[in-house]
Amino acid sequence: GNSVTQMEGPVTLSEEAFLTINCTYTATGYPSLFWYVQYPGEGLQLLLKATKADDKGSNKGFEATYRKETTSFHLEKGSVQVSDSAVYFCALITGFQKLVFGTGTRLLVSP
Amino acid sequence: GAGVSQSPSNKVTEKGKDVELRCDPISGHTALYWYRQSLGQGLEFLIYFQGNSAPDKSGLPSDRFSAERTGGSVSTLTIQRTQQEDSAVYLCASSLLGVANYGYTFGSGTRLTVV
Repeated sequence: GNSVTQMEGPVTLSEEAFLTINCTYTATGYPSLFWYVQYPGEGLQLLLKATKADDKGSNKGFEATYRKETTSFHLEKGSVQVSDSAVYFCALITGFQKLVFGTGTRLLVSP
Repeated sequence: GAGVSQSPSNKVTEKGKDVELRCDPISGHTALYWYRQSLGQGLEFLIYFQGNSAPDKSGLPSDRFSAERTGGSVSTLTIQRTQQEDSAVYLCASSLLGVANYGYTFGSGTRLTVV
C-alpha cells in the first residue's frame, strides 16, 4: 500500500537558517506529491505540490523536487523565518484514491 | 461556498454521549473526506465519499463511527457512545472529482474533547 515517511521532529532552527525536512514514499503507480502546512491554531493548507517525476513545487520560498529514483520529496527553504514555525505534512495520492499523509514534522524557528 | 466549512469548531461532550460533526464542502466538489488528528499524531484517514459510489469506510476505527453524505453535499460524521480516546481534531476536506491529484481543500476542523 501507499505510505509516507517523514523525519521525526521537532526541528529547531534559528532565523535565517537553511531548512530541510526529509520525506520518502512508497506507492503503487505514479503518485502526486504534496506538502501541507499547519500553522498554530489553524487548519491544513496546501503549501506546494508536484505531479510527476522531476517536477519542482515551490511556494513562499519553500521548494521540493519529486525524485522518482530515490522516492523522495524533501522540503527545503534557504532562510527560515519565525513565521515559518508550523507542522509540515508530506502526502501523496494516486489516481482516485485518498491522500496518505506522513506523521508531520514540527518546525520551531527562534529569533 | 468559498471554502470547506465545519461545525461546531469546538465540542466538549461527556463520555458515553453521541456527537455529530458537520461538514459543508466547496460547492461542486464531489469528493469529500474525513480525517482525524489526535494530539501529537499525524492525520488518520476515516472515510471517503466519491460522487455516487459507495463510500470507502476502511479508516473508521470502530462501529461507533459512521458518516453520511446527503444529496452529494453536506456530510455528517457521527460518533456514538464517545470515549476519551475519541478526543481529537476532526478534519473534513473536499476535492473536485477527477482532479484529486491536485490536492484537497481542508476545513478548519472540529476539536472534540470527551470528558
